[in-house]
Amino acid sequence: KQEVTQIPAALSVPEGENLVLNCSFTDSAIYNLQWFRQDPGKGLTSLLLIQSSQREQTSGRLNASLDKSSGRSTLYIAASQPGDSATYLCAVRGITGGGNKLTFGTGTQLKVEL
Amino acid sequence: KAGVTQTPRYLIKTRGQQVTLSCSPISGHRSVSWYQQTPGQGLQFLFEYFSETQRNKGNFPGRFSGRQFSNSRSEMNVSTLELGDSALYLCASSQPGQGELGYTFGSGTRLTVV
Repeated sequence: KQEVTQIPAALSVPEGENLVLNCSFTDSAIYNLQWFRQDPGKGLTSLLLIQSSQREQTSGRLNASLDKSSGRSTLYIAASQPGDSATYLCAVRGITGGGNKLTFGTGTQLKVEL
Repeated sequence: KAGVTQTPRYLIKTRGQQVTLSCSPISGHRSVSWYQQTPGQGLQFLFEYFSETQRNKGNFPGRFSGRQFSNSRSEMNVSTLELGDSALYLCASSQPGQGELGYTFGSGTRLTVV
């Protein structure tokens, strides 16, 4: 059974700091890994999607890496801003067990302070 | 391009009642998945429908059911509501096979059972 863990559970940083969020998964048989952002009481906004054959993806100030063999992904946020405050979730789409469902981590709650 | 639309946004129901939630996927997407999000359990997979057929199901009791129509719109039904069913219900659409574009989520339906 796939298990996804995110560290840290919560993070508070001053504006302008670069930061790294971590995601680990137990079963490396995945199609892809997706990072999402969730604002309080809202749905999920997709940030980056990394296919299993890729090592990283970039979008603006965000960079996500994937090391499938070790079961790890990181989300790097450069020059953080107060508007980045949200919960960040990683999710893997596994090959086993049906192949078309996401297994989510418990999230990292980020607060960027002025 | 319209996103994933979930209705209603909020619902308050009484224990023992039943409820139906609706999800309209992105135009052209044929896969619709449902997830339950609670503070204690995080995001958990309920089921996935593709071309009107349930392809995958999570570990939820039979009170949770769903269906998909020929236009890909999906409904989720919960019968005999319990207090523990209070959650944010999220639906996601995807189009498997087209370059693995990942999942797009709706804004969710907040269900409160009293």
